[in-house]
Formats: sequence, C-alpha cells, structure tokens
Amino acid sequence: DSGVTQTPKHLITATGQRVTLRCSPRSGDLSVYWYQQSLDQGLQFLIQYYNGEERAKGNILERFSAQQFPDLHSELNLSSLELGDSALYFCASSGTLTTVANYGYTFGSGTRLTVV
Amino acid sequence: AQKITQTQPGMFVQEKEAVTLDCTYDTSDQSYGLFWYKQPSSGEMIFLIYQGSYDEQNATEGRYSLNFQKARKSANLVISASQLGDSAMYFCAMREVLANSKLTFGKGITLSVRP
Repeated sequence: DSGVTQTPKHLITATGQRVTLRCSPRSGDLSVYWYQQSLDQGLQFLIQYYNGEERAKGNILERFSAQQFPDLHSELNLSSLELGDSALYFCASSGTLTTVANYGYTFGSGTRLTVV
Repeated sequence: AQKITQTQPGMFVQEKEAVTLDCTYDTSDQSYGLFWYKQPSSGEMIFLIYQGSYDEQNATEGRYSLNFQKARKSANLVISASQLGDSAMYFCAMREVLANSKLTFGKGITLSVRP
C-alpha cells in the first residue's frame, strides 16, 4: 500500500455520462497531482492542487475539472464522456513545495475508466 | 517541447543479465531531479530510483543504478541480474524546481526478460 488511495479501481460508463474519481493523498502530503495514461498519449499531466488551491494545469480538457477539499482529498470530475476518455487515471501526492526537487511522487493504484 | 526522451521501443534481456534503459532530458534549470518508475502489467507506478542534479555520485538502489551524465543530459537506468519480474514498462521522469514541481514523464520503454 503506497498510502495514496484511489477509488474506484475500475469504472465502466457510457458516452455522455459524468463520473467522479476520488483520491486521498498520503498522510502529510499537501500536493495532489492527476495524470491520464492512455495507450497513445503516455502519461499526461492534468492538474495539480496544493493545500486546496490549484497550482498548475496541464493538458486538461474543459469537460474535466478537479478540486481539493479541506481534508486534502481530491476529486477529478469527468463529464460528457467520450470513447477517447478511456484511460488509466492516476493520482499522486508529494510533500510541500518547499521540498527540494528530490522529493518524488507517491502514486495511487489508478482508476481504470472504460467508456462504452 | 518534449523534455524527456526515451527512444527504445522495446528491450529484451536474458534472465540474470544486465540491461540499460536509455533516457535523455532537456532543461535549462540548474536544480532538478531525475526519477525512474516501473509499471508492471497490473498498472501501478512503482518508484525505483532518484538522482539529483547536484549529486556527484550515481544513485544506486539494490539492483538498480542510474548512470548520470550531466553534460550529455542523460540518465540511463541499469538493471543488473535481470529477473522475470522485471518485465514491465519503465518510465524516466524529471522534476524541475521552477516548474511547480510537476513530474514530466517520457513515453516509457517496455522491457521483457526472457527465461
């Protein structure tokens, strides 16, 4: 167990639907990152939150949104789902931004989303 | 612009032999970290090894070592005494201090260990 909890592990839904992926970071970690891994795009950074605030945005579609709550858990909301959104979605957490660059991520086990 | 380059499409190695997985990177930052992650077929991302840009010695973690050549901007992963369980996808990643601390990943390399 890495300490980062992602739920659900698997999700199958139809096109046009909306889903919410949940992530609880490792205890003490303030930063949460969301990544999308698809076969053709590799690991794409979506968005980062630090202590409840959005810190950085990557290749996140407008149909996607995220937030980090006061208890530091984060949710990634995916709406108007398309077949191409099928992917493995990872959440990762890390320590404070003042930590030097040698502080890596701890990844959750991922949510495998299948849009049919 | 792509910052991490992993060009080997797939690698094969005989069990018990050593293998090198290549990674080159591009950054103008002086302070950065380089990481390797392993992703087995089950999907989880497993941290293997870290190298800091100011570290003078190459990092080692058990059977994993990182061949860091700063001037050439390369950070190759060496796996010694390969095991069947090493068969997986391997990702090189970089974290720049100035880039809001996000990790940028390469496209990965598939390693297959033959018995």
